[in-house]
Amino acid sequence: SQQGEEDPQALSIQEGENATMNCSYKTSINNLQWYRQNSGRGLVHLILIRSNEREKHSGRLRVTLDTSKKSSSLLITASRAADTASYFCAHQTGANNLFFGTGTRLTVIP
Amino acid sequence: DAGITQSPRHKVTETGTPVTLRCHQTENHRYMYWYRQDPGHGLRLIHYSYGVKDTDKGEVSDGYSVSRSKTEDFLLTLESATSSQTSVYFCAISEPGQPEAFFGQGTRLTVV
Repeated sequence: SQQGEEDPQALSIQEGENATMNCSYKTSINNLQWYRQNSGRGLVHLILIRSNEREKHSGRLRVTLDTSKKSSSLLITASRAADTASYFCAHQTGANNLFFGTGTRLTVIP
Repeated sequence: DAGITQSPRHKVTETGTPVTLRCHQTENHRYMYWYRQDPGHGLRLIHYSYGVKDTDKGEVSDGYSVSRSKTEDFLLTLESATSSQTSVYFCAISEPGQPEAFFGQGTRLTVV
């Protein structure tokens, strides 16, 4: 299976704190993406990092990629209650198909 | 949700019956995908299509078939539904050279 794994499975933090979630995968990749899913909704793309990049920022999001360890992390700074959602990493290989991780459920307590 | 409509949104069906889920897009994207989402497994790719009448199997294709006769429609058929196919099904679209995928709202299927 090319499915990735994420940890932790669930994370609960206070509003204003930072949230870090990690992702691992098994193959060589072209890029790694992070998606967000609110309860009962579809996934929404957050950020993409290419295999030749090590770090990328977008607003309060910071993504790192370590291809030697086949791992990535997503940091959400200064979290808000509205950040409560499930977060998934997805890696893309030579073809266009995305292979998703198992997800991290983030709860931000007001 | 990027002009993607999945229908039905909810369905309960009996074991052994055929079921067809529809994904309709208005974005004219060439690539379309069907995923299933189950607790502890994330999203797993069932089938995908790179164009009209160009489809292929994903990781968990057993028991499923697809058809794409028009750019805008991608149909997923469960030939004979089983309880293990109870899941939430998501359709996604993307374009060649643009890695970001856009997702529909999902179809919750229960097989009793």
